[in-house]
Amino acid sequence: QKEVEQNSGPLSVPEGAIASLNCTYSDRGSQSFFWYRQYSGKSPELIMFIYSNGDKEDGRFTAQLNKASQYVSLLIRDSQPSDSATYLCAVEDTGRRALTFGSGTRLQVQP
Amino acid sequence: DVKVTQSSRYLVKRTGEKVFLECVQDMDHENMFWYRQDPGLGLRLIYFSYDVKMKEKGDIPEGYSVSREKKERFSLILESASTNQTSMYLCASSFGGGNTEAFFGQGTRLTVV
Repeated sequence: QKEVEQNSGPLSVPEGAIASLNCTYSDRGSQSFFWYRQYSGKSPELIMFIYSNGDKEDGRFTAQLNKASQYVSLLIRDSQPSDSATYLCAVEDTGRRALTFGSGTRLQVQP
Repeated sequence: DVKVTQSSRYLVKRTGEKVFLECVQDMDHENMFWYRQDPGLGLRLIYFSYDVKMKEKGDIPEGYSVSREKKERFSLILESASTNQTSMYLCASSFGGGNTEAFFGQGTRLTVV
């Protein structure tokens, strides 16, 4: 079974700092990678997607992809208490049109 | 805005009951999915569908079945509910083909007693 691994956390950072969230995946053929944010009691919502090696920036968020190392990361700059949530890494399964999710990293931003 | 709507936010059912969870999307998406989410285990894929009347097993299909009679509607059926099926159930949909994000419904928290 294809796997997506994340550190469960919690990752605690002070307000204004950079939060770095990491994810590794097992399927070498995967082409699409997604980061979802999930607040407690809510459903996941998409923050970023990335298809190509390198960095992709959107506001305070930067996704980084290294296909050779099978590694995806999400950087959150100027972290805010409202960023406190669980961040789910998702990888498209090449054998089916479905996403495989990691178990998520809980981020806590301390005011 | 894409809208994926699940019929219930909270459900409490008795062991052995047949349970129906309904999901409707309004964006003409080809793909629909059912996941369950449990603490420490993340989201696990139960069943998915690429088209009307088509269904594929996910990673944990045992004890579940699905129905897709119309493109916009995807139902999850627990044939005989058991306590180990107590969980958060999330429906999602996406456009056909690859490289597309999944949009989620609000989730149904099911408790089987």
